[in-house]
Amino acid sequence: DAGVIQSPRHEVTEMGQEVTLRCKPISGHDYLFWYRQTMMRGLELLIYFNNNVPIDDSGMPEDRFSAKMPNASFSTLKIQPSEPRDSAVYFCASSSMWRVYEQYFGPGTRLTVT
Amino acid sequence: KQEVTQIPAALSVPEGENLVLNCSFTDSAIYNLQWFRQDPGKGLTSLLLIQSSQREQTSGRLNASLDKSSGRSTLYIAASQPGDSATYLCAMRDANAGKSTFGDGTTLTVKP
Repeated sequence: DAGVIQSPRHEVTEMGQEVTLRCKPISGHDYLFWYRQTMMRGLELLIYFNNNVPIDDSGMPEDRFSAKMPNASFSTLKIQPSEPRDSAVYFCASSSMWRVYEQYFGPGTRLTVT
Repeated sequence: KQEVTQIPAALSVPEGENLVLNCSFTDSAIYNLQWFRQDPGKGLTSLLLIQSSQREQTSGRLNASLDKSSGRSTLYIAASQPGDSATYLCAMRDANAGKSTFGDGTTLTVKP
């Protein structure tokens, strides 16, 4: 299995622009998580899905952030408009009941908003 | 609300030393506990997972334990090597197997 795939790996954009991050979970996994990691705040859970349905989005910082999972093999995290304080590494992770819910992380997307 | 604390924040040891990393949590109603390793600029790699009903798991030189009554988990690394240098994070999955809460990590440096 290729593992969790994220794209792009690096994104540099200007303040006010829309940013879309993409994630392909491991095939057969029924949970998908979006995390954000910064030096100041560590690793924060933004939102997670179970069977493509958003279960808990309480970690989404504000309305500028939105996430979708249109099918079991694809999810997006969108920031519109982006701000410099959104600069961070964004990770996607997936897990499966059949693997006792062990979480597997993607390589992350490093976002820089100037 | 689950809170996860890892102490110390940083640790430096000479090569060959055995060491213990600590993780404490406030809510014992967990589904599982997972230890991760993160190298600089990289993603998280799963090391060990302990189910709520288990006491410990072992993989090679690594041994993780879980004591729910005291709200503690430890990661034991035997005969440390420079290649073990990384940040180690613990994460608690809530009782519904939904969200995980992560500690801030312990950054380990093993000196040759």
